[in-house]
Formats: sequence, C-alpha cells, structure tokens
Amino acid sequence: EAQVTQNPRYLITVTGKKLTVTCSQNMNHEYMSWYRQDPGLGLRQIYYSMNVEVTDKGDVPEGYKVSRKEKRNFPLILESPSPNQTSLYFCASSPPGGGQETQYFGPGTRLLVL
Amino acid sequence: DQQVKQNSPSLSVQEGRISILNCDYTNSMFDYFLWYKKYPAEGPTFLISISSIKDKNEDGRFTVFLNKSAKHLSLHIVPSQPGDSAVYFCAAGDDKIIFGKGTRLHILP
Repeated sequence: EAQVTQNPRYLITVTGKKLTVTCSQNMNHEYMSWYRQDPGLGLRQIYYSMNVEVTDKGDVPEGYKVSRKEKRNFPLILESPSPNQTSLYFCASSPPGGGQETQYFGPGTRLLVL
Repeated sequence: DQQVKQNSPSLSVQEGRISILNCDYTNSMFDYFLWYKKYPAEGPTFLISISSIKDKNEDGRFTVFLNKSAKHLSLHIVPSQPGDSAVYFCAAGDDKIIFGKGTRLHILP
C-alpha cells in the first residue's frame, strides 16, 4: 500500500529535550515536505526537499532541522523544543514538480512541549 | 500577509444541498490550484485540482471553478453528503504550493 508514515503519532516532551519525528514514504517520491498545522493558521511549510541531499527552508523553519540522506526518509529534528512548537505536524511527499503534483500526507504527529 | 485566503472558518449545509467553499489568492503568478480534504486524526488528502488554463474542473460530485480575473476559486459539492463533513484546505501556487487556513464544513442531517 502506497503511504507516508510518521512516528511517533503523539509525543509529549519538555522544553530543551531534543527530539526527532521520522517520516518515510514508499512511493519513490523525490519531493518531501514538513508542515505544521495550528488553529487559525492552517498548514504552514517548515522545510522541503527536492531530492536526496537537497533541502530548503519553507515559511516557518526557525527551530527545526531536517536531513535527506535517503530518498524514502525525511526526519524532522527539534534540537531544543520550545512550547511554541506545540503543534500538529504533517509530512508529505510527491513526485517531481513539488507544487503541481498532488502531495500525499502522513497521518500527523501531535507534539506537546511543556 | 496571506497569499491564499479562506475567509469562512466554518460552513453548515443541509444534507442533499449544494456546499460552496470559497478561496481567494493574491498572486497573479499562481498557476495551479488544489483542494484538500482533512478528517480529524488523519492527514489531508487530495480532492481536486485545476490549472490556470481552465476555468472549471469536475470530478463526480465535486467541481472547482476558477476566476482568474477575480483571483478566486470555489469548490462546489453537489449533493452534499454526511461524509463530506471535514476541513477543506485550498492551496495555490506554481513551483511551491501555499495553503489557506481551511474551512470546516458541517453537513446537517
């Protein structure tokens, strides 16, 4: 089954404790992206990757890091989480084209930073 | 400033009637427009799209209309069904897609 998986689905952590949210897709997509969804703000792009070893900032990259060492994986790293990073996070992937191709989203990771 | 605006946070429609969700954008260079649907506890899923060379695209009960001069697009759902209750995100862009804030659609029995 073609899918995007994220782990963990739910996470409660404390300020300053480094965490990683994993994202994996099995569709051989070149383009992958991370979004956060907040009430009243919709979906905002954090980082995206056009292909392996190619990453770029989205609209709200502060406080986040990403890496793309393999085509299928695109982890999101919070080196020192803060309460304002409490949010619902979605990973997405799509074939080349990024914008015009439809994106396939993971199920989401709900993060609470205390 | 928002480049993609969904000005109605929520909308309630009677089952069987037409649901119309609206979206405005500011960048005249945008050439691709999409609608995504999102249920609680799930990621958004693609619903329907339209490119700037068209003014209408239809897929079953879903039709998207694009008015480039007004920088406006709308999603029509006819007839509305209970399973259509969800949050709908409008997205627009060219190489990069920008999402609106979403509209929560409630289909009333």
